[in-house]
Amino acid sequence: TQLLEQSPQFLSIQEGENLTVYCNSSSVFSSLQWYRQEPGEGPVLLVTVVTGGEVKKLKRLTFQFGDARKDSSLHITAAQPGDTGLYLCAGLIYNQGGKLIFGQGTELSVKP
Amino acid sequence: DTEVTQTPKHLVMGMTNKKSLKCEQHMGHRAMYWYKQSAKKPLELMFVYSLEERVENNSVPSRFSPECPNSSHLFLHLHTLQPEDSALYLCASSQDRQPTSTGELFFGEGSRLTVL
Repeated sequence: TQLLEQSPQFLSIQEGENLTVYCNSSSVFSSLQWYRQEPGEGPVLLVTVVTGGEVKKLKRLTFQFGDARKDSSLHITAAQPGDTGLYLCAGLIYNQGGKLIFGQGTELSVKP
Repeated sequence: DTEVTQTPKHLVMGMTNKKSLKCEQHMGHRAMYWYKQSAKKPLELMFVYSLEERVENNSVPSRFSPECPNSSHLFLHLHTLQPEDSALYLCASSQDRQPTSTGELFFGEGSRLTVL
């Protein structure tokens, strides 16, 4: 059974603080996706990382794929209340018919 | 049109009721999915359809019955559910069943199901 462990599960911070969310597995992924889900909405794709060691930036969000393609991190600089939501990582195992494994999510609350 | 739309948004049903969830997309995507989202658990893939053909059923109980009449519409028929089936049911679509290296899923807003 492939597992994707996300940490922390819950995070409550003040506006302006920095934070990092981690996604770890013993499996190797062809690519890894990060989604954000706001209350009452479905998940929306933020980014896909494909190459080991890859770093992608999306405004104040920085995503990194581990060198061995088994882990990933999401770093948010100067968090804002609009960043509040559930962050999901999902790893793609291509040689199993494109199986997408989701982590259990990180619930982020940014207070003004 | 880049939306996946799901109806109803909320559903309360008794254990003996029969109801259906509906999903549609008009992005020309060839694959559609049903996921179950429960608190503190990873998204659980229930069913996958590719070009209207069911290609994956992840040991889902028979009280959940999917239907895909065409590549734009997907239904989940519900019958004699249990209280533990209460969850958010998400529909998603993707360009192809065998995803490219991006494998992006487009999700609907979900149908919040409560079984009494």
